[in-house]
Amino acid sequence: ILNVEQSPQSLHVQEGDSTNFTCSFPSSNFYALHWYRWETAKSPEALFVMTLNGDEKKKGRISATLNTKEGYSYLYIKGSQPEDSATYLCASSYTSGNTGKLIFGQGTTLQVKP
Amino acid sequence: EPEVTQTPSHQVTQMGQEVILRCVPISNHLYFYWYRQILGQKVEFLVSFYNNEISEKSEIFDDQFSVERPDGSNFTLKIRSTKLEDSAMYFCASNRGGREQFFGPGTRLTVL
Repeated sequence: ILNVEQSPQSLHVQEGDSTNFTCSFPSSNFYALHWYRWETAKSPEALFVMTLNGDEKKKGRISATLNTKEGYSYLYIKGSQPEDSATYLCASSYTSGNTGKLIFGQGTTLQVKP
Repeated sequence: EPEVTQTPSHQVTQMGQEVILRCVPISNHLYFYWYRQILGQKVEFLVSFYNNEISEKSEIFDDQFSVERPDGSNFTLKIRSTKLEDSAMYFCASNRGGREQFFGPGTRLTVL
């Protein structure tokens, strides 16, 4: 059974703090790692899709890294703002079968206080 | 910007009733998915659909569940006889063949 784990489960930070979350995933037959940002009552929004070991991607104040050999990814938010408050989901997909199904972690809920 | 839409946003039903959850994927997408999240648990894969047939389904997706793409635009999930444990947020997603999946906002199903 493929298991993706995220930590921490929740995080409360002050505006301006930088923060990071971890996603660990099985590395065998790995295909891609996805990060989503999800606010209640909205669609999960794709932040990054990464495939190559050592990949680093950046979007504004948010960046992510990928280590496919050891099976982990980090998401960093620099200078957190209240509008960053959301649940951050990571999901991995695998080459065997390759129907594109995503295996999700439990998410990290971020609360940024003004 | 194109988006995946889902209706209704919230559905309340009695145990044993049939429900149909509707999704309109992005128009040029080829692969379609249903996922669900039971409160407090992980988002879990239910089924993938390509070329008018199921390409993969999870253990959860038993005979009570079915999917259909009746008219080339809608993608539906039917639960024939709902159980209390079917209460969850159901997400539809679509993909045009690349790696990125685009998600709808979800339908919250409450079974009483």
